[in-house]
Amino acid sequence: DQQVKQNSPSLSVQEGRISILNCDYTNSMFDYFLWYKKYPAEGPTFLISISSIKDKNEDGRFTVFLNKSAKHLSLHIVPSQPGDSAVYFCAASGRLTGGGNKLTFGTGTQLKVEL
Amino acid sequence: DADVTQTPRNRITKTGKRIMLECSQTKGHDRMYWYRQDPGLGLRLIYYSFDVKDINKGEISDGYSVSRQAQAKFSLSLESAIPNQTALYFCATSKPGQGYYNEQFFGPGTRLTVL
Repeated sequence: DQQVKQNSPSLSVQEGRISILNCDYTNSMFDYFLWYKKYPAEGPTFLISISSIKDKNEDGRFTVFLNKSAKHLSLHIVPSQPGDSAVYFCAASGRLTGGGNKLTFGTGTQLKVEL
Repeated sequence: DADVTQTPRNRITKTGKRIMLECSQTKGHDRMYWYRQDPGLGLRLIYYSFDVKDINKGEISDGYSVSRQAQAKFSLSLESAIPNQTALYFCATSKPGQGYYNEQFFGPGTRLTVL
């Protein structure tokens, strides 16, 4: 049962244009959503997050939008740069019994930014 | 620079062998996690530990065990490796954050192949 889904395994965008990566979730108890970026032979690195009580969070070229009613979030990268080429994972944070939280990851989207 | 390291980075072994993957961190974080990544499945949580005396199963703990030798060290063992444990394994760390949200920092990964 995949609680966090990224339905596009890959996305190709031209340099300077907007990249939009999408993520859907099923569990309404998730309280934070995060995007991680992963380069080959490296571990995922945190990119940006959004609380479930917000609908938008912006950090430089990166903006995450959350639509709770649709259980959908998206990551916008504007303008896209060749160095943005990586796998992007959507993750959702849910509370654990006894404290702390657990991340549930999507399957990832490979973004390729072409010159 | 404070970091999360994993050893070995690559390992090829045979079915039935015992394997230990090690994770060390210099971030001073209390919480440590083990994930595996499989193509098309994203990252899935195997075990997590919130301090030296706390060990918890994740969503796919069968066939694995862990040891938290110190705050900075968290090892993952495969007692009798099988081919479907071939995957990319990541260690991650975190500290308690605002409310129940915490950013997780990942190591570079260990690529394990079981023949």
